Amino acid sequence: AQSVAQPEDQVNVAEGNPLTVKCTYSVSGNPYLFWYVQYPNRGLQFLLKYITGDNLVKGSYGFEAEFNKSQTSFHLKKPSALVSDSALYFCAGGRDDKIIFGKGTRLHILP
Amino acid sequence: EAQVTQNPRYLITVTGKKLTVTCSQNMNHEYMSWYRQDPGLGLRQIYYSMNVEVTDKGDVPEGYKVSRKEKRNFPLILESPSPNQTSLYFCASSLLADEEKLFFGSGTQLSVL
Repeated sequence: AQSVAQPEDQVNVAEGNPLTVKCTYSVSGNPYLFWYVQYPNRGLQFLLKYITGDNLVKGSYGFEAEFNKSQTSFHLKKPSALVSDSALYFCAGGRDDKIIFGKGTRLHILP
Repeated sequence: EAQVTQNPRYLITVTGKKLTVTCSQNMNHEYMSWYRQDPGLGLRQIYYSMNVEVTDKGDVPEGYKVSRKEKRNFPLILESPSPNQTSLYFCASSLLADEEKLFFGSGTQLSVL
């Protein structure tokens, strides 16, 4: 069965420090992978996606993600965190018309 | 403006009283889907639709119905709501089911008493 895991419920990072939000996947074949962000009282917003090609994908708001096939990971990264990055982040993956979401990771950026 | 519109934003109802949450998209998307979001469980798919008149069960379809009579609309129907359906619901759409990004509505917070 396909699955997407976000091993951390919450990540705390000091403002200005680099941040990483982890995601691992179990999807047959070559997966499509996504990151979404959810701010309070809002729907999810698309950040970035990996379909094929370069393993480093750049997205909105300075975020990027690295696809690692051998480790089946797709971690979200940002070189310098902002307080405004505090939100709930979802990794999603899929193939063959099926998309599965992880349980989400709450990111707290501490001023 | 490209958007997915859900209504209502908030809904309080009682057990057994039928309700419908509407969803409409203005992007001519083929694919539409309903999710529920619960603490600690993330997003779980309820139903999805690949095109008009084509709907399929997601991971948690029990107690829900959907219809896709027009491309732009994908209402979620709870025939006899129960307290365990208290949740935050999201409608989403995309050009393709798995390759293209999803556009999400603002959500409907449902409380069933």
